[in-house]
Amino acid sequence: QSALTQPASVSASPGQSITISCAGTSTDIGYNHVSWYQQHPGKAPKLMIYDVSNRPSGVSNRFSGSKSGNTASLTISGLQAEDEADYYCSSYTTPSTLFGGGTKLTVL
Amino acid sequence: QVQLQESGPGLVKPSDTLSLTCDVFGNSITSSNWWVWIRQPPGKGLEWIGYIYYSGSTYYNPSLKSRVTMSVDTSKSQFSLNLSSVTAVDTAVYYCAQKGTGDTYYATWGQGTLVTVSS
Repeated sequence: QSALTQPASVSASPGQSITISCAGTSTDIGYNHVSWYQQHPGKAPKLMIYDVSNRPSGVSNRFSGSKSGNTASLTISGLQAEDEADYYCSSYTTPSTLFGGGTKLTVL
Repeated sequence: QVQLQESGPGLVKPSDTLSLTCDVFGNSITSSNWWVWIRQPPGKGLEWIGYIYYSGSTYYNPSLKSRVTMSVDTSKSQFSLNLSSVTAVDTAVYYCAQKGTGDTYYATWGQGTLVTVSS
């Protein structure tokens, strides 16, 4: 299986919104088992979105997820400096998991 | 809430076996969870290695399956990863994580441990 396809980097200014895409196929993204992880340098990934659009308890509602066809998206609104991190999408296809290559978000 | 802590050698020689352990705190290792290993080469993305249930049932990444063995020690509340015949490409930060039965995501992660393969 090939990794899911994400843009290498995105950037925006504080207060703006960004969207990170995650492209796959009907056999991975095509199922509604997409999750998103945030990773700050030297830290473990943190779950931000699961099952396409669900937020775990404690995650800001500035983070939202969606999917269209075989492409999932993570949107972050009202960008803050602390959002600067790497973001990874993931697709769970029983029993395995596929990750995207990661997107570096820079808050200008 | 479950907490996870990886441990093991930080340096492994080529062709040797990489062995790591993950201690589980705050939740029974025999609860309805799958115990997961994921790795991340320096500066690169995440790679799912596989997971194990306390009963011993396992699922491995097909690309690593021939070299991976996972096990659970319920008496010590820990699970382990063995990766044989390692080369430099196996150099990575190795994370243990937890997946609830029926979940499609990894809610809890350990802090990760860097393993370097070098002579």
